[in-house]
Amino acid sequence: GNSVTQMEGPVTLSEEAFLTINCTYTATGYPSLFWYVQYPGEGLQLLLKATKADDKGSNKGFEATYRKETTSFHLEKGSVQVSDSAVYFCALSIIQGAQKLVFGQGTRLTINP
Amino acid sequence: EPEVTQTPSHQVTQMGQEVILRCVPISNHLYFYWYRQILGQKVEFLVSFYNNEISEKSEIFDDQFSVERPDGSNFTLKIRSTKLEDSAMYFCASSEEGDRNQPQHFGDGTRLSIL
Repeated sequence: GNSVTQMEGPVTLSEEAFLTINCTYTATGYPSLFWYVQYPGEGLQLLLKATKADDKGSNKGFEATYRKETTSFHLEKGSVQVSDSAVYFCALSIIQGAQKLVFGQGTRLTINP
Repeated sequence: EPEVTQTPSHQVTQMGQEVILRCVPISNHLYFYWYRQILGQKVEFLVSFYNNEISEKSEIFDDQFSVERPDGSNFTLKIRSTKLEDSAMYFCASSEEGDRNQPQHFGDGTRLSIL
């Protein structure tokens, strides 16, 4: 089947720390991969995406590389800010009849000043 | 930047009552979706909709659920006879195209509380 597994949260870091949130997936077929972010009180916003192996998605200092050999799409940022505090969701996109997203469980990130 | 809007932000309903959740997708998008997130659980796909038809639905989307595009701008999710386990955050999303590379754009969600 199709599934996404994210590292357990919550994650608490100090400002300017290095961030990694692990994401691995299983999929039948060739998915596209996404990271979405949910700030408090808001909906899911697309953070970045990658559509084929070895693609790197990047946005707002965040990066993730589509690794087909390890079925992973880990999210990284070199220096986090307090404003990065949010819940981060890894997701894969497949076509089964129609496009749908399969989400990981989400990782809550808190950045302390 | 255009966005998906959902109303209401919070809906409280008695068990057994019908509820309609409303969404206005981004205007040039052709594909529409509903997802839900039960508290503490994953975001789950419910249904996708294109060209006035359901394209795909999950096993969660049983006969109690229906979707409709009643006019050129709204997209609704109806739950006919709500159950306690329907309490969740419901997200509407839309995308310009339906291929796997297309990002889906989400609304802020409707929190549904069944009493």
